[in-house]
Amino acid sequence: DQQVKQNSPSLSVQEGRISILNCDYTNSMFDYFLWYKKYPAEGPTFLISISSIKDKNEDGRFTVFLNKSAKHLSLHIVPSQPGDSAVYFCAASPVRSEKLVFGKGTKLTVNP
Amino acid sequence: DSGVTQTPKHLITATGQRVTLRCSPRSGDLSVYWYQQSLDQGLQFLIQYYNGEERAKGNILERFSAQQFPDLHSELNLSSLELGDSALYFCASSVGALNTEAFFGQGTRLTVV
Repeated sequence: DQQVKQNSPSLSVQEGRISILNCDYTNSMFDYFLWYKKYPAEGPTFLISISSIKDKNEDGRFTVFLNKSAKHLSLHIVPSQPGDSAVYFCAASPVRSEKLVFGKGTKLTVNP
Repeated sequence: DSGVTQTPKHLITATGQRVTLRCSPRSGDLSVYWYQQSLDQGLQFLIQYYNGEERAKGNILERFSAQQFPDLHSELNLSSLELGDSALYFCASSVGALNTEAFFGQGTRLTVV
């Protein structure tokens, strides 16, 4: 039973364009959402988060959008850079609890 | 460098054996979390310790156990290993008890043969 789904295993975009990574969740108790980035041979690195009281959070080139009614969030990277090539994990937790539930990840490739 | 150190980086062992994975959290972090990432799977939360005490439990098998020591480093013990236990095991740490913006180590790749 996958509570956090990233339906696209991979995404390829051109440098300078927008990358949009999507994530759907099923548990309505989820209240806090995070994106992690993972390079090969490294652990995941926290990227950006959003709580359910917001519908958008922005940090530089990275923006996360949350649509609670659709149980959907997305990560926008603008402009995309080759260094952004990595696996991106969406994660969620109920009310900042201890248990983060991760999606399976989307591998982003940004082509020069 | 996240500041979280995991050893060893790689481990190859036979079925039925027991192994211990070690994690040193970032300086000042009181929480340690263990996650398992199997092939083509997301990270599965196993267990959390906060300041020496077990705080939360996830999908951790009975053959697995963990502890956090007074110096806050943690060990994950995996016993009676099966082929299906082959995975990447990540440790993460955070300052508080809640798993927000946790910092991950590089992981230990366990291969059971």
